[in-house]
Amino acid sequence: SQQGEEDPQALSIQEGENATMNCSYKTSINNLQWYRQNSGRGLVHLILIRSNEREKHSGRLRVTLDTSKKSSSLLITASRAADTASYFCATDAAGGSYIPTFGRGTSLIVHP
Amino acid sequence: KAGVTQTPRYLIKTRGQQVTLSCSPISGHRSVSWYQQTPGQGLQFLFEYFSETQRNKGNFPGRFSGRQFSNSRSEMNVSTLELGDSALYLCASSLGGRNQPQHFGDGTRLSIL
Repeated sequence: SQQGEEDPQALSIQEGENATMNCSYKTSINNLQWYRQNSGRGLVHLILIRSNEREKHSGRLRVTLDTSKKSSSLLITASRAADTASYFCATDAAGGSYIPTFGRGTSLIVHP
Repeated sequence: KAGVTQTPRYLIKTRGQQVTLSCSPISGHRSVSWYQQTPGQGLQFLFEYFSETQRNKGNFPGRFSGRQFSNSRSEMNVSTLELGDSALYLCASSLGGRNQPQHFGDGTRLSIL
């Protein structure tokens, strides 16, 4: 069963625009991770944010975590066509195994 | 540092057959996890091996099994294949433990005819 659910399911934007994806989850977590998957490839780890952190940055990526709302967001600034991919959040449930549970993903298309 | 390598990349089988998929983790990674990815169910956790022992297991039938060798390489076996087993099977390696990112291979695309 999915712990995290991404929203929206699909997002289409123009190059240069910002892309925001959201992830909601149901139970308390130890950490939340974001991954990217290009078509026909494996997942690539982007960012891990721990439950006691509120925001993390990596290049053009900004992740926020609101544990009171059980939600996270991934912001990609100044999107490029190469950012076209599916983006997944994965949660490590508190009190459970550390195996992350993945959502169904947001499909992002960036038009050149 | 070489990434996670999965072989073969594509496989076509018929119902009732069995299949073995292979995964070579990143050097130094002792944890190997397997996932099944389908359009309908998304990414589903199969099992995780650490130091040759199955440490975590998902909700899949016993037809799905795996093992890990002393060099951390892992194999996954599916017996009595069903049409519903058609999927992308992904392997991920990590150092093992909390707050460790998973590093994925490009998967094996299994098609059942």
